[in-house]
Amino acid sequence: GAGVSQSPRYKVTKRGQDVTLRCDPISSHATLYWYQQALGQGPEFLTYFNYEAQPDKSGLPSDRFSAERPEGSISTLTIQRTEQRDSAMYRCASSRSSSNTGELFFGEGSRLTVL
Amino acid sequence: AQSVTQPDIHITVSEGASLELRCNYSYGATPYLFWYVQSPGQGLQLLLKYFSGDTLVQGIKGFEAEFKRSQSSFNLRKPSVHWSDAAEYFCASSSNTGKLIFGQGTTLQVKP
Repeated sequence: GAGVSQSPRYKVTKRGQDVTLRCDPISSHATLYWYQQALGQGPEFLTYFNYEAQPDKSGLPSDRFSAERPEGSISTLTIQRTEQRDSAMYRCASSRSSSNTGELFFGEGSRLTVL
Repeated sequence: AQSVTQPDIHITVSEGASLELRCNYSYGATPYLFWYVQSPGQGLQLLLKYFSGDTLVQGIKGFEAEFKRSQSSFNLRKPSVHWSDAAEYFCASSSNTGKLIFGQGTTLQVKP
């Protein structure tokens, strides 16, 4: 698509429920990143993909968090057994490659609230 | 470990006044540095970036930033602020995988 699209924009869930967030990157972009942004903080890296490969998932906070990009395009971030501390804005970004000189294009984010 | 610090959480300036937002980085080699802006309800938008060469870089919307290795700084400046510049600004550096390390952000308020 023309830009990075994320859905849902807002999600309210109860503690203990599973949540899946979706990211549709710019169609020509090989690399996709997930970030978590708590209120009043900068985005923090969670994981990234080069096409369908996931070279780095060091930022995932716990094994309740997982991400997929099975066909190298759309990606999902799943949080199992959500906890209140998972409440945050989840941002997806894509770039042409994982080169450190590449510009990241960000989506508008998915705001998750866990009650 | 690589880190980025933005010392000012909140800044208020009058419309038409000059602006400087501070950013300090911690990295062994020459880092790749970026400034992003986040307006309410919007995604992060790249203002400018520094990789090498001229230490003064120009960006969009009239912003510029200067890389100073001796001070480990990459401060963002604008000569005359407009009300539409009110937003949150993030400084970031990148690793060799393109992973961005962000600062905490500085919220800019513009007084009429």
